[in-house]
Amino acid sequence: SQQGEEDPQALSIQEGENATMNCSYKTSINNLQWYRQNSGRGLVHLILIRSNEREKHSGRLRVTLDTSKKSSSLLITASRAADTASYFCATVGRGYQKVTFGIGTKLQVIP
Amino acid sequence: EAGVAQSPRYKIIEKRQSVAFWCNPISGHATLYWYQQILGQGPKLLIQFQNNGVVDDSQLPKDRFSAERLKGVDSTLKIQPAKLEDSAVYLCASSLYGREGQPQHFGDGTRLSIL
Repeated sequence: SQQGEEDPQALSIQEGENATMNCSYKTSINNLQWYRQNSGRGLVHLILIRSNEREKHSGRLRVTLDTSKKSSSLLITASRAADTASYFCATVGRGYQKVTFGIGTKLQVIP
Repeated sequence: EAGVAQSPRYKIIEKRQSVAFWCNPISGHATLYWYQQILGQGPKLLIQFQNNGVVDDSQLPKDRFSAERLKGVDSTLKIQPAKLEDSAVYLCASSLYGREGQPQHFGDGTRLSIL
């Protein structure tokens, strides 16, 4: 079963615009991670936010986490054509840290 | 550092045949994962190893899928016999073990097509 649900499932924007993707989940978590996947490749880790954190930045990426609403968002600022990829959130449970991926958001950045 | 290595990159077999995938994780990574990713979906965890012990295999179809991690390093995932619905990309990932959570490092996967 897949706990995370990303929204929207597809997003198309112009280069230079910001892209926002959302992830909702159901059970309590240890941390939440965002990954990018280019076509035909494996996933690449972008950022990890722990359950006691509310916001985290990494370069052009900004992630927020609201544990009361069981949701997270990923913001990519000043998008580039190279950001075209699928983006997945992964929730990591407590205990032995079971990892569950969402269905992903397919982002297309038009040059 | 070298990344997660997987082989083969592509495999085409007929239904009811058997197939095996190999994964070499990043050196020193205690945790190893096998995922199945069907086209258009997110990765689904099949099995998680901590060193050479199984932590979670609740979603592994054990009547046809098996996996082992010899000496806590390399791992092999086998399907026998294959069904049409097994067509997917099989991804291997590894991570350091940590109570606070660690990022996973993925290989590029094996794309399996069942005819």
